[in-house]
Amino acid sequence: DTGVSQNPRHKITKRGQNVTFRCDPISEHNRLYWYRQTLGQGPEFLTYFQNEAQLEKSRLLSDRFSAERPKGSFSTLEIQRTEQGDSAMYLCASSFYDRGLHEQYFGPGTRLTVT
Amino acid sequence: AQKITQTQPGMFVQEKEAVTLDCTYDTSDQSYGLFWYKQPSSGEMIFLIYQGSYDEQNATEGRYSLNFQKARKSANLVISASQLGDSAMYFCAMREGLSNTGKLIFGQGTTLQVKP
Repeated sequence: DTGVSQNPRHKITKRGQNVTFRCDPISEHNRLYWYRQTLGQGPEFLTYFQNEAQLEKSRLLSDRFSAERPKGSFSTLEIQRTEQGDSAMYLCASSFYDRGLHEQYFGPGTRLTVT
Repeated sequence: AQKITQTQPGMFVQEKEAVTLDCTYDTSDQSYGLFWYKQPSSGEMIFLIYQGSYDEQNATEGRYSLNFQKARKSANLVISASQLGDSAMYFCAMREGLSNTGKLIFGQGTTLQVKP
């Protein structure tokens, strides 16, 4: 399977705990995006990387959120001191960027529930 | 500010019939891209079809076609010959062209249910 993969698929955590999600993009894709989707809404952009560089962060991404893509391949999204409002689906997408933009391919998402 | 509006929270269609899902957008950019994604209950966003703002012809991909009316700022998705497997949430999205970030702005989605 050469699609985008995300782990874990589901995470239940208690308020105040830290959680980390992983995304493995399609191997030849140099761009990686994180989105958050709450129930009944469309996904909202959080941040994106080109290779290992994080080029933009949304204002939605509070100081408790950090994302990395250390070697320009997989990426991790960490949430520290989780709050109930962090409960959502976290989606990762990847694309190939050269001199033009190409469509993004999404992973299955990680559903976070904060109790 | 850029915005996508999907005014149909839910739609029903009989199997084998065609259905149109509405999408209007707002942008001041001359260059942009419009996308439709399908999200089944499993959660994965599946890319369906793309229309560039400078494309003169409406995009088609198999049973999917995009009815692009630039002056009206609409990009409706038409699904022909609906199948039971088409039951899902459908999202319209826009990508701004000038910044090159590639980030997508999504609408709120339309839930489609196909009846046998």
